[in-house]
Formats: sequence, structure tokens, C-alpha cells
Amino acid sequence: GAVVSQHPSRVICKSGTSVKIECRSLDFQATTMFWYRQFPKQSLMLMATSNEGSKATYEQGVEKDKFLINHASLTLSTLTVTSAHPEDSSFYICSASGQGINQPQHFGDGTRLSIL
Amino acid sequence: GEDVEQSLFLSVREGDSSVINCTYTDSSSTYLYWYKQEPGAGLQLLTYIFSNMDMKQDQRLTVLLNKKDKHLSLRIADTQTGDSAIYFCAESRTPGRALTFGSGTRLQVQP
Repeated sequence: GAVVSQHPSRVICKSGTSVKIECRSLDFQATTMFWYRQFPKQSLMLMATSNEGSKATYEQGVEKDKFLINHASLTLSTLTVTSAHPEDSSFYICSASGQGINQPQHFGDGTRLSIL
Repeated sequence: GEDVEQSLFLSVREGDSSVINCTYTDSSSTYLYWYKQEPGAGLQLLTYIFSNMDMKQDQRLTVLLNKKDKHLSLRIADTQTGDSAIYFCAESRTPGRALTFGSGTRLQVQP
């Protein structure tokens, strides 16, 4: 089945550091990928929709200059958390739909970001 | 806007059946999903159903959809300790759209 790979799985860094997270579709092309954020013991909240070859669409309340998204190819989207602060500590998960009719969304394994 | 609700917690004994319920508000929901999340891990797609279906069975998993009541359920037969996890119900209008998730149901399976 469709596989989505996300790296890194865990990041611990100091406040002020910028962190890049990669999301790859391994066996299919994805014109659209999604980035979600999950706080402890909470559900997933959509942050932004990543569109190949164009600007990402951000949800209300998500700072586009804080969370930079680049979708330069049909198999790769990156999320960069710029100048991260402790309140950015969270679990970030990407997803993508396979090509074809009625393909469900598959998720990466997530990236746990801890800002000290 | 769309809203998806689930009960927060379910405890069952090993070998029993588990039934996790979900309700949604968007009558345009066409695709309904069940995902499993183990501690510290990402989401694993368990199964999904389209709104033109009433039931879908896949090994130990049975999904029932009552479109009139906007109610979705996931039944796990012969529940095992390895089934302990958080189960998320999610919906979308089309496969290409982002999903709206429920709050998740924590399933605890007691030996």
C-alpha cells in the first residue's frame, strides 16, 4: 500500500533554532500533502495544505512565516519551524493521498519536536 | 463547520468485542476513516468507508455507517492487548481534502 515517510522522528533543540521536517511519499506521487499538529492527549489539527508547485494554504491562526512549507516535487514536502520556541514543542504529522480514485490518506510516523 | 465527536475512553477485557462510536455533523461527509495511534507513534490507517456503504468488514474489524444519524462505529472482534491504543475517527468530503478528526478514543484492553 501507499507509504508516507517522515523524518526526523524526534528532534530536541534549543530555543531559536530552525527545524526542518521532511515528508515523502515513497511509492506514489502526491500533488497535495497535509501538515497536522498534535498536542499531548489531543486530536490532530490541520496546520496547512501543501500544494506542489504553489504556495501552501494555511489554516486560520497558523503563522505562515513561522511554519514555512515547501512542496518542490511530487514526492516531497518540507515543513520548517523557524526560530522555534518552547510553545512550538509538539507532534507534527504529515499525510498524503495516493493517486487514483477514492484513495485514502496515509500518514507519516510523525516528528516529535521538543524545544528547550 | 465540520465536527466529529467520540467518547474518550473504552475499557474491555481481552477476547471481548470492542465497539468505538463516532458521530459527525457534516452531511456532505463522503469518506469516513478509522486510524489507530499507539503511544509516541504516527497514525495507522485501519479502514475506511464511503458514504454509499452501510457496512465494511475486514478481518476482525467491522465498520457500520448510519448515514441518517451521522453515526459511525468500529467493532473490533476478539480484542487483544495489542489493540490498546487511541482510535481516531475522521471524515472528509473528498479524498483530496484534509481530514477532520475526532478527539480520539483511548481503548484499554485488560488481560
